[in-house]
Amino acid sequence: GAVVSQHPSRVICKSGTSVKIECRSLDFQATTMFWYRQFPKQSLMLMATSNEGSKATYEQGVEKDKFLINHASLTLSTLTVTSAHPEDSSFYICSAREQPASNYGYTFGSGTRLTVV
Amino acid sequence: KQEVTQIPAALSVPEGENLVLNCSFTDSAIYNLQWFRQDPGKGLTSLLLIQSSQREQTSGRLNASLDKSSGRSTLYIAASQPGDSATYLCAPWSRAGGGNKLTFGTGTQLKVEL
Repeated sequence: GAVVSQHPSRVICKSGTSVKIECRSLDFQATTMFWYRQFPKQSLMLMATSNEGSKATYEQGVEKDKFLINHASLTLSTLTVTSAHPEDSSFYICSAREQPASNYGYTFGSGTRLTVV
Repeated sequence: KQEVTQIPAALSVPEGENLVLNCSFTDSAIYNLQWFRQDPGKGLTSLLLIQSSQREQTSGRLNASLDKSSGRSTLYIAASQPGDSATYLCAPWSRAGGGNKLTFGTGTQLKVEL
């Protein structure tokens, strides 16, 4: 099946700094990738859809200038949390679907635990 | 706006029991539906994908059914094992902007005890 690799798995940063999270599709191409955020005991919330070679589409209420998304190749999307604050501390997960469409559905990365101190 | 509810929210059972996890969604105009498990602090692992033309899907001890018209899906776990302990999430695929958008509920937290 398709595999999505996400790095780093954990990161601690100081308030005001920026953090970059990478999401890679291994052995398949993904023209579209998705970024989710999950708070403790809560469900996954879609933040944005990352489109290869074009601008990302952000969900309502998500600040696009704070959460910068770049999808420069068919196998890599990055999420940069700019000027991070403690309230940005959360679990971030990316996902992708193999193209052409497979029977495996959406594959998720292992997630990144961001702690802003 | 699609909303997903999963019942029960938490479940603790002895090893060997057969289990039923329920998922309901408000917008029945979905495409596919996918079941995942999430271990603490980890990403999601896909368990089953029920495609739009299917009513159920099976993999090993897992069986999932889908009734779009009533907005429900059910995950059956046979002969539960301690390794099945995790949070189970269902995610209906809604058509949005030419693609598909997954909506998640808060899941069912399962604990299988020896």
